Amino acid sequence: GESVGLHLPTLSVQEGDNSIINCAYSNSASDYFIWYKQESGKGPQFIIDIRSNMDKRQGQRVTVLLNKTVKHLSLQIAATQPGDSAVYFCAEMFAGNTGKLIFGQGTTLQVKP
Amino acid sequence: GAVVSQHPSWVICKSGTSVKIECRSLDFQATTMFWYRQFPKQSLMLMATSNEGSKATYEQGVEKDKFLINHASLTLSTLTVTSAHPEDSSFYICSAQGTNEKLFFGSGTQLSVL
Repeated sequence: GESVGLHLPTLSVQEGDNSIINCAYSNSASDYFIWYKQESGKGPQFIIDIRSNMDKRQGQRVTVLLNKTVKHLSLQIAATQPGDSAVYFCAEMFAGNTGKLIFGQGTTLQVKP
Repeated sequence: GAVVSQHPSWVICKSGTSVKIECRSLDFQATTMFWYRQFPKQSLMLMATSNEGSKATYEQGVEKDKFLINHASLTLSTLTVTSAHPEDSSFYICSAQGTNEKLFFGSGTQLSVL
């Protein structure tokens, strides 16, 4: 399953399928990007990050892709599990503004068993 | 991993009263802390940046006299919502940045103003 960022805030996938969550960021000067997972009533949980000098980074079951030409970021989750159900946010950090994050709209991921 | 403790996790108060929220870095010194607000089904919006020993920097549209921020030590920042009104009801989240520039988030505080 695949989301289209700002226009499709909910992504529903079958357990075991791969998920792709998209994000369009705002500032071409941003040089650091982070994906967060947020469960209901909790703070954001770090998933994976990427710097602007890279276009791909892999973690455990997750991959982040960065396309600076079109200011687009995506999070791929392999073999999606029910525990992955949450809201996912991308966040960008402007160059020189260390620590100050600007969050994207967020996508709700629903995993059907 | 580093832990950021936020307290209380939820609070209910009457309109017109003030509420203080604490954000503590438990095992590292936080040179900078950030405060965010999140309304239901919306994203996190940065309210202010707090540096230890100096005045906070507020984002555009955030009233500094209403949302008082104090960062008196390298492990504690507080956000006080003064004269709270129902429209201030929201989920407030802090983050803390250590000397290695890593960011850690608190677990959030749900404020409900009656």
